[in-house]
Order: sequence, then structure tokens, then C-alpha cells
Amino acid sequence: DTAVSQTPKYLVTQMGNDKSIKCEQNLGHDTMYWYKQDSKKFLKIMFSYNNKELIINETVPNRFSPKSPDKAHLNLHINSLELGDSAVYFCASSQDRGSRYTFGSGTRLTVV
Amino acid sequence: DAKTTQPTSMDCAEGRAANLPCNHSTISGNEYVYWYRQIHSQGPQYIIHGLKNNETNEMASLIITEDRKSSTLILPHATLRDTAVYYCIVRDPNQAGTALIFGKGTTLSVSS
Repeated sequence: DTAVSQTPKYLVTQMGNDKSIKCEQNLGHDTMYWYKQDSKKFLKIMFSYNNKELIINETVPNRFSPKSPDKAHLNLHINSLELGDSAVYFCASSQDRGSRYTFGSGTRLTVV
Repeated sequence: DAKTTQPTSMDCAEGRAANLPCNHSTISGNEYVYWYRQIHSQGPQYIIHGLKNNETNEMASLIITEDRKSSTLILPHATLRDTAVYYCIVRDPNQAGTALIFGKGTTLSVSS
């Protein structure tokens, strides 16, 4: 069983579209995260949820909206996609904020 | 902001020990040293962490200097599959509202 699973693995879409990326973890962890890795390979934290509560919201355009229906799921919805949104998005989870992180395999988003 | 300094790249022969250094001269008393790695196109993977004592697990050893201003990750017998970007991260796990902050890391190339 995959511990942290993301869908889809690849996503190609046109500018201006709205898309969602889903993340599920079966580890029983309380905290989940979204990271963005751009073309220069820098990994940047975007959001973090703890038990469905938003606890980290970095400087991210408000076109990005995370949603956590329960503590096992953290989805990322992106409105009005732009070319600069092209990146690999990683979901991660941890038992609590101090524990080791388990990452998903990533979603490669390409905006054309 | 990454609080660590790592060499950009290192090479290692297969079967030899890989010693990856990390400087963290401004580390505070509550901050741990964490190591993660990212194999090409995969999500980051936890390796090991420590506070002040040396640590060893099935993947690697972590040597932290007595003044805690630097550390070394040791892969005792590097294989081709250890080729990856290695990230050294310092973090207070009990600090609310924070997450792992990734720097540029060290690209380790293991060759036969």
C-alpha cells in the first residue's frame, strides 16, 4: 500500500483552466503539507494542515486553495492556471509537526 | 531561509563511504539536524535526524560535532541507487507554524 498517494501523476492543461490535485495518506498522520518544486528544483512549502485546520499558509497566490475534508486527505485546487504554475507538486504527511515527513511521488503539472 | 551550507556536488565511487558535510553555525539549542534525500523524479525521503549525539540507522550514520555547528552524513557503502540530492535541514520540531525548509542540497553522484 502506498503511504502517501497523489493523483494525477501527470497533468497537462491550458492556461486559464481550473484543476485539482488530490492527496491521501493511510499512515494515520495528523499533519499534511503541499510543497512546490519548480524548474530550478527548489522545494518550497505552500500549505500545511493539522487535523483539518490550516496552520501554514505561505505567500502563495490566492488562486491556490487547499482543502482538507478529513485528516487523511489534503487536496489542492488551482484556479486560472498560469504558465508559471508549471512545477512538480508534492504532498507530504507527518504524525505531528515534529516528526519525519513522508512524501508522495509528486504531480507534474504542465500549463501550456 | 535555509540555515545550512552544503557543497553543491560530490562524487563517490561505488562501494566506498560517502561523507556529506553540512555547516549549521547558527543552530540553536532546540534545533535538530535532519537529512533527507531526493532521488531523481521522486519525492524526498527521510534518512536520519539527531540533536547532539551521533545517530545510526539502516540507511546512514549522522555525526554531529560537539559544538553542533556542523555535521556529516555517512553512507557507509554507497551504491548507484544512492545517487540523489541530499538535504541537510535544521529545525526546532516544537516550533508551531513551521515546516521543513529545503535548501539547495548536495548532489551526490555515485559511479562504478
